[in-house]
Amino acid sequence: DAGVTQSPTHLIKTRGQQVTLRCSPKSGHDTVSWYQQALGQGPQFIFQYYEEEERQRGNFPDRFSGHQFPNYSSELNVNALLLGDSALYLCASSLGVSDTGELFFGEGSRLTVL
Amino acid sequence: AQTVTQSQPEMSVQEAETVTLSCTYDTSESDYYLFWYKQPPSRQMILVIRQEAYKQQNATENRFSVNFQKAAKSFSLKISDSQLGDAAMYFCAYTASSSSNTGKLIFGQGTTLQVKP
Repeated sequence: DAGVTQSPTHLIKTRGQQVTLRCSPKSGHDTVSWYQQALGQGPQFIFQYYEEEERQRGNFPDRFSGHQFPNYSSELNVNALLLGDSALYLCASSLGVSDTGELFFGEGSRLTVL
Repeated sequence: AQTVTQSQPEMSVQEAETVTLSCTYDTSESDYYLFWYKQPPSRQMILVIRQEAYKQQNATENRFSVNFQKAAKSFSLKISDSQLGDAAMYFCAYTASSSSNTGKLIFGQGTTLQVKP
């Protein structure tokens, strides 16, 4: 049973560039959430996608955008990168109709902005 | 706004001993879920234990148990018979039941647990 997979695992960008991170949810899951985790901190909720639409959004600027595809996989796009965007980006999947609140996480994509 | 606070940045325990990690939270909701997640150096967040606020009984998963004090808004994790593999960063997390379908977990700052052989 494949878990949540993310790519790439590491990447380096420079300020002002754009980045796209990818996520495939756990088999059978239809909902994807994205989190940003700064070094030594807890993850911060960015947004969630369900049925190819953004369902809820955290306190992140419009430079952060996403997409969900018909196969439930998802992308996170960040434009006009800032040094402060350097972080581990975690993808988590769940079942949209689940009421347990439990999320399954991937290993994350480590973004470094120079 | 809901918040989660972990006041212990670092904890250490001797192998086979017991350790308790603290967590407090603030919410005006009456129905919610609380979680403890473990994040080892491999980075993947793994669910350790989950508690529904409407249940008075404390959740238990093998060597892991919680002390849930709803009135005090406290949710501590007890690890018994600590093993070297328990070394990791532990995060306390909260979600209101109304948002549990939206995947919005609120995490604490984390506690790094060191297990000494």
